[in-house]
Amino acid sequence: EADIYQTPRYLVIGTGKKITLECSQTMGHDKMYWYQQDPGMELHLIHYSYGVNSTEKGDLSSESTVSRIRTEHFPLTLESARPSHTSQYLCASSPGNTGELFFGEGSRLTVL
Amino acid sequence: GQQVMQIPQYQHVQEGEDFTTYCNSSTTLSNIQWYKQRPGGHPVFLIQLVKSGEVKKQKRLTFQFGEAKKNSSLHITATQTTDVGTYFCAGPKDSNYQLIWGAGTKLIIKP
Repeated sequence: EADIYQTPRYLVIGTGKKITLECSQTMGHDKMYWYQQDPGMELHLIHYSYGVNSTEKGDLSSESTVSRIRTEHFPLTLESARPSHTSQYLCASSPGNTGELFFGEGSRLTVL
Repeated sequence: GQQVMQIPQYQHVQEGEDFTTYCNSSTTLSNIQWYKQRPGGHPVFLIQLVKSGEVKKQKRLTFQFGEAKKNSSLHITATQTTDVGTYFCAGPKDSNYQLIWGAGTKLIIKP
């Protein structure tokens, strides 16, 4: 099993709240990613990082932000949640040289 | 832009029947990866193919990478209930370590 952890696993919040989804990996991987996925659907890249202090937006327009102050930690923040943010958020990391992604178990967000 | 198309979107099979999903890229890929996602779960890496014409087997699963390195397939022989899930292909984006994902093929076992 890969050592990548996401919290919370499930979250139900009201519109307008600020939330942070946590992602940590203990494999020393430089590359980390956040994907958004509706149930049974394709993955959409929303943010990625190639290392400390490096963050980029992905292909899917997102109102979220990320930070990468430490190699092992890549949190995603929504400043003001809306019902359209209801989805599953998957964090992944990669050693880079192989390209293989290791995924966390996901955070399922419901915004009422 | 660079695209990876995956078909079919769904495949319903009787247990014991075979299953195949196909992946086609708009550009030549340096490699292609396959992932499996169980219902309610997260994607799990299955395999990576790198060489033109490469064929790899994992028990009942056979993976192929086309000669032109623009298409790939995953074939499952004699499906079992444990095979249920969505199978995704993904290839590297031209200029960086991002992956371009197919939309996935959902394998459904008929009751």
